[in-house]
Amino acid sequence: DAGITQSPRHKVTETGTPVTLRCHQTENHRYMYWYRQDPGHGLRLIHYSYGVKDTDKGEVSDGYSVSRSKTEDFLLTLESATSSQTSVYFCAISDERRNTGELFFGEGSRLTVL
Amino acid sequence: GQQLNQSPQSMFIQEGEDVSMNCTSSSIFNTWLWYKQDPGEGPVLLIALYKAGELTSNGRLTAQFGITRKDSFLNISASIPSDVGIYFCAGQRSGGSNYKLTFGKGTLLTVNP
Repeated sequence: DAGITQSPRHKVTETGTPVTLRCHQTENHRYMYWYRQDPGHGLRLIHYSYGVKDTDKGEVSDGYSVSRSKTEDFLLTLESATSSQTSVYFCAISDERRNTGELFFGEGSRLTVL
Repeated sequence: GQQLNQSPQSMFIQEGEDVSMNCTSSSIFNTWLWYKQDPGEGPVLLIALYKAGELTSNGRLTAQFGITRKDSFLNISASIPSDVGIYFCAGQRSGGSNYKLTFGKGTLLTVNP
């Protein structure tokens, strides 16, 4: 199994509060991603990173920010959570040396915004 | 953004039956991938396809990369209860990129023992 851990795995918060989800990898891979999964929408890319301090937006980036100060950690922040951000969030990594397009996913973080 | 049309959305089958699902797109992809997600877990790669027309098998699973590069299908033969889960197709525009997979919305498979 790819060494990816997400924390927290479950969180319930209130509208307007800040939330940070953490993704930690032990594989030393360059690329890291944050996806959200919602019924009827599948997996949608929020942000991704192609190196330390190098990040870019995905297709559903509004309301989210990310930071990558170390290779192993990729943080997703909701500055002011809204109910529409209730979702399951998945972190993923890919090995740029293999160049296969394969993503390795974490186990997910379930966020509920009341 | 790009969209992948995955069908069917859900399937309810009897153990032992064969299953077929597919993805189509209006855009060309250079790589097609099929993932499976078990309940409560993240998706896991099943099969990756890198050439138009390629047919690849992995046990009871067979997938094909459409000749137009705009579609792919996945077949599961002789289904078993542990095949239950959500199956996602994914496309990658450039073979040299390690980002921005576009995912289909998933096919929920239920297998009745």
